[in-house]
This record gives sequence, C-alpha cells and structure tokens, in this order.
Amino acid sequence: NAGVTQTPKFQVLKTGQSMTLQCAQDMNHEYMSWYRQDPGMGLRLIHYSVGAGITDQGEVPNGYNVSRSTTEDFPLRLLSAAPSQTSVYFCASRLTGSTEAFFGQGTRLTVV
Amino acid sequence: GNSVTQMEGPVTLSEEAFLTINCTYTATGYPSLFWYVQYPGEGLQLLLKATKADDKGSNKGFEATYRKETTSFHLEKGSVQVSDSAVYFCAAYSSASKIIFGSGTRLSIRP
Repeated sequence: NAGVTQTPKFQVLKTGQSMTLQCAQDMNHEYMSWYRQDPGMGLRLIHYSVGAGITDQGEVPNGYNVSRSTTEDFPLRLLSAAPSQTSVYFCASRLTGSTEAFFGQGTRLTVV
Repeated sequence: GNSVTQMEGPVTLSEEAFLTINCTYTATGYPSLFWYVQYPGEGLQLLLKATKADDKGSNKGFEATYRKETTSFHLEKGSVQVSDSAVYFCAAYSSASKIIFGSGTRLSIRP
C-alpha cells in the first residue's frame, strides 16, 4: 500500500530558487495538508485543502503556494526560497470527518 | 485558539523503566486528543487516540486517559523497550477541522 508519497526526500536549494514538493495519496482522502517541522516547535500547518479545487492557509503560509487540481495530488511550491524555509516538510491526508491523519515520510529541505 | 503543550525532551530511560510524557491542552469544548509517534527517518504515525472525557486510548502497551478536569492526556507505558525510541507528539483536533500538534518529545531508551 503506497499511502502518502512525498518526493523528493532531500533537497538543497540556493536562496531565491523556486521548487515544488510533491505529495500524492492513493486513499481517496478529501483532506490534505502540508506541515513544516522545526526543532522545538513541533509541526506547524502551512496550507490545507478540503477537496479538489479548494485550498486555504494554515498557520505559516507566507512564501508557499499550493493547488489541488485532483484529489490525489497536493503540491507545495516555494516561490523564492529563503534560509528560514530550511525545515522538514510533511504532507498528510485524511478522510473528511475522520481524525486520523496519514503522513508521508517527509522532505528535508536545506536553503543555503 | 487551541494549543497543546507537552513536556520538553529529550527523555532518556533504561529498558523496562516506566514512562510518562506529560501533555496538556487548551481548547474550546472537548476536542479529540491523540498521540503520534515518529520513528527515525519516518513520518508520523497515529499511536492512540481518545475522543471524549474519561476515554482511555491504548496501543502497543502505551496508554493515555482523557482528563477534562486537568485538561491533560499524559502518555504512559509500564515497561519501555529500545524499539520505543522515537519522537512522540501530543495533538488535538481543533474546531476548525485542523490538528494542532505539541512540540514533540524525543525518547531514547538505553539497553
């Protein structure tokens, strides 16, 4: 079972570069979200989506864009990378109305 | 808004020791509460949950009881193993359909 798949697992960017973190799930979950994990701060919500065509901002949305053209995919775009975006990024999905979230393995991003 | 506070780590114990990781929440009403576990190099996995006051969630020898009087959801295990070494996150389901996470507690178990 694939579950939630994130790519790439590791990435190094230069300041100002842009890139897209990919997230795909094969469980037909309506709800998908992106978190960043920083030491001592737990997981903070960046953006989320309750279904195809619908996205909304989380706690720390600045510098990131998302789109949800299909139920399966929820890419996260960094428009102009900054060192402050160095973090581990997790994608998660769940069924609407369910409280159990399924996480991908994470993407470790370093911006130099 | 809702928030979750858990004890800071790291926590280091010997094998077979008793474990407690404290977690308290601030919320409107009585949200569902969770413990997630993150093993090295992996994403988070749901460990256990409780959906209402006085419920006890349990899994893999871990337990946590939803205490509305103290707004707490402490994680306990009677005898830890080396394989329990991981980062543990307490979390609450907020009224805005979001899951709010604590800062995580790193647990290391010595053989």
